[in-house]
Amino acid sequence: ELKVEQNPLFLSMQEGKNYTIYCNYSTTSDRLYWYRQDPGKSLESLFVLLSNGAVKQEGRLMASLDTKARLSTLHITAAVHDLSATYFCAGNYGGSQGNLIFGKGTKLSVKP
Amino acid sequence: ETGVTQSPTHLIKTRGQQVTLRCSSQSGHNTVSWYQQALGQGPQFIFQYYREEENGRGNFPPRFSGLQFPNYSSELNVNALELDDSALYLCASSPGTDQETQYFGPGTRLLVL
Repeated sequence: ELKVEQNPLFLSMQEGKNYTIYCNYSTTSDRLYWYRQDPGKSLESLFVLLSNGAVKQEGRLMASLDTKARLSTLHITAAVHDLSATYFCAGNYGGSQGNLIFGKGTKLSVKP
Repeated sequence: ETGVTQSPTHLIKTRGQQVTLRCSSQSGHNTVSWYQQALGQGPQFIFQYYREEENGRGNFPPRFSGLQFPNYSSELNVNALELDDSALYLCASSPGTDQETQYFGPGTRLLVL
C-alpha cells in the first residue's frame, strides 16, 4: 500500500529566503504530483513528475523526483508572500487507475 | 473550455440523513474521481468512474456510492450520514485513467450535525 509522507508539515519563512519541502513515498509510484491549495479553495496542479531524475520549474518553484530514493522535493527560491498556501504531494495507487494518494500537506507561510 | 464544477458549494445535514453531491467534468474528460478532505488533512480517494463504470475504490464503506452519466458528469451519494463525514468533498476529472493529471473542482463543504 502506497504511503506518502511530507515534511515539514508547517513552514514559516521570510520573504527572499529559500527552502525545500520533502516528500517520501513507501512503494513504487511511477509519477509524483504536486498540488497547491489556498485556504478554503480547491487544489491547483503544479507539477507532474514522470520519471527518475525529472526536474520541472515554474517561477520560484522547482520540483524534482528521485525514484530510487522514493523522494520528491519542492524547492522554493526567494519566497514571496503570494506563495503562502498548503502544498501537497501525491503518488499513484492502483497502477493505471490513476488514483492519487496524498501526503498531509505542508502549510507554508511567507512573512515580510 | 469550462473547468470542473461542483454543486452545491455548502451543505448542512443531520446524522442519519442522505446526501447527493454533483460534479460536472471538464470538457473532453471521461474520468471522474472523488476525494474526501477532512480539515487539516490531505484528500483521501473515495472512488473513480470511467465511462460510467466504477474503476477503483478507496477504503470507504458501501454507504458511499456514486454514478457517472453518459455526459461524464457524476454524483456522489452518502447514506446514513455520520458526524465524521463532515469534510470538503472534491471531484477531479481527467482525460483518461492512465495516471494523467487530475483537475479538481472547487469542492462541496458538507457539515453533518
